[in-house]
Amino acid sequence: DIQMTQSPSSLSASVGDRVTITCRASQSVSNYLCWYQEKPGTAPNLLLYATSNLQSGIPSRFSGSGYGTEFTLTISSLQPEDFATYYCQQSYSLPFTFGPGTKVQIK
Amino acid sequence: QVQLVQSGAEVREPGASVKVSCKASGYSFTTYAIHWVRQAPGQRLEWMGRINTANGNTKYSRKFQGRVTITRDTSASTAYMELSSLRSEDTALFFCARVLHRHCSGDSCYSGFDFWGQGTLLAVSS
Repeated sequence: DIQMTQSPSSLSASVGDRVTITCRASQSVSNYLCWYQEKPGTAPNLLLYATSNLQSGIPSRFSGSGYGTEFTLTISSLQPEDFATYYCQQSYSLPFTFGPGTKVQIK
Repeated sequence: QVQLVQSGAEVREPGASVKVSCKASGYSFTTYAIHWVRQAPGQRLEWMGRINTANGNTKYSRKFQGRVTITRDTSASTAYMELSSLRSEDTALFFCARVLHRHCSGDSCYSGFDFWGQGTLLAVSS
């Protein structure tokens, strides 16, 4: 199975900050990488798929980049509603696997 | 609007089985596969398996192989996940989620899970 890691595991930031989260895969997943946002008590919400494709309805302050084994999620200007946990997930091969999550907290 | 509505919370004793349903509405059921994902307390999301809703073909995680069965009823636009031989470590939130069939080839999917059920909480305790 492909193992996914994320860094940092948590971060504190202020509204308006630029935030970057890194996701690494134990082997190449090409560009088959998704990002989700999860808030307490709700299901994950798809932000980006195939590394950099913005899901419908997601604000353009979210962006993604990378290929192979290293990927990043960037929030260009953090908004109050962005405080949440973010997960990466490889959709390259079954079993699909998720990263451990990065919790974005208010500074 | 698109909805995946799951059945309610369950409590089971160790060794028992549970069957969770996921009813789809607002789209053509057989154009999307349904996947099941588990989230145990303090753990990462964990993929359990998926069903091709058009032909019923299933694939399971090796971790759950032999204990999980995913089925679907196209007439009811509903997918089911049954987990047997329950143990305390199975206490978790279970989600169904969809991905477009035509975005997948073999074991790869170009797109992610664009809609999720609300989650079903399972507690396993004696």
